[in-house]
Amino acid sequence: DARVTQTPRHKVTEMGQEVTMRCQPILGHNTVFWYRQTMMQGLELLAYFRNRAPLDDSGMPKDRFSAEMPDATLATLKIQPSEPRDSAVYFCASAPRDPNTEAFFGQGTRLTVV
Amino acid sequence: KNQVEQSPQSLIILEGKNCTLQCNYTVSPFSNLRWYKQDTGRGPVSLTIMTFSENTKSNGRYTATLDADTKQSSLHITASQLSDSASYICVVSGLGKLIFGQGTELSVKP
Repeated sequence: DARVTQTPRHKVTEMGQEVTMRCQPILGHNTVFWYRQTMMQGLELLAYFRNRAPLDDSGMPKDRFSAEMPDATLATLKIQPSEPRDSAVYFCASAPRDPNTEAFFGQGTRLTVV
Repeated sequence: KNQVEQSPQSLIILEGKNCTLQCNYTVSPFSNLRWYKQDTGRGPVSLTIMTFSENTKSNGRYTATLDADTKQSSLHITASQLSDSASYICVVSGLGKLIFGQGTELSVKP
């Protein structure tokens, strides 16, 4: 069945290292969101794309985070250099063109920066 | 500022009982309101989605209501089951973005 696939599911890395998280949206969905979830902040929007173009990345620390959609089947979120405060679960979600239909979430990437 | 506020923050109920979760929002313009269920360690899963013209929508034992005038929504869970233990998140969509509430942590005890 159609689902949003995120890889890796878990990542432990040392401070200063580069981290790349990947998301395969549901085929045919033209909107992709990146969210970060922590106990303190809940779910926060980092960036979202429509038809592969970034529409809003105001929630993302620009100095270290970058989000791209090299093609319609792949979205990436990169952190360089990573810091302990980046430890969180990062979710990708995709949605079809109609804004009144569901957004489907992946299982998330649990990132731990030590 | 666009905000979504949920109450209570957490809730403990006995299996078989009903409960109601609340959501107030200030998001404008408004496109739709969604309720998601998030099990521990999993991504959120959609329960209901309502547009401006819809007042109520049901999905099994879950019934959501929406008052677009007062900008309030509720999620009513009937005859709760242990598997209902999860975080319930109210999400309001506006200008293509999803604005999330902090969620209500529901724990159903036997």
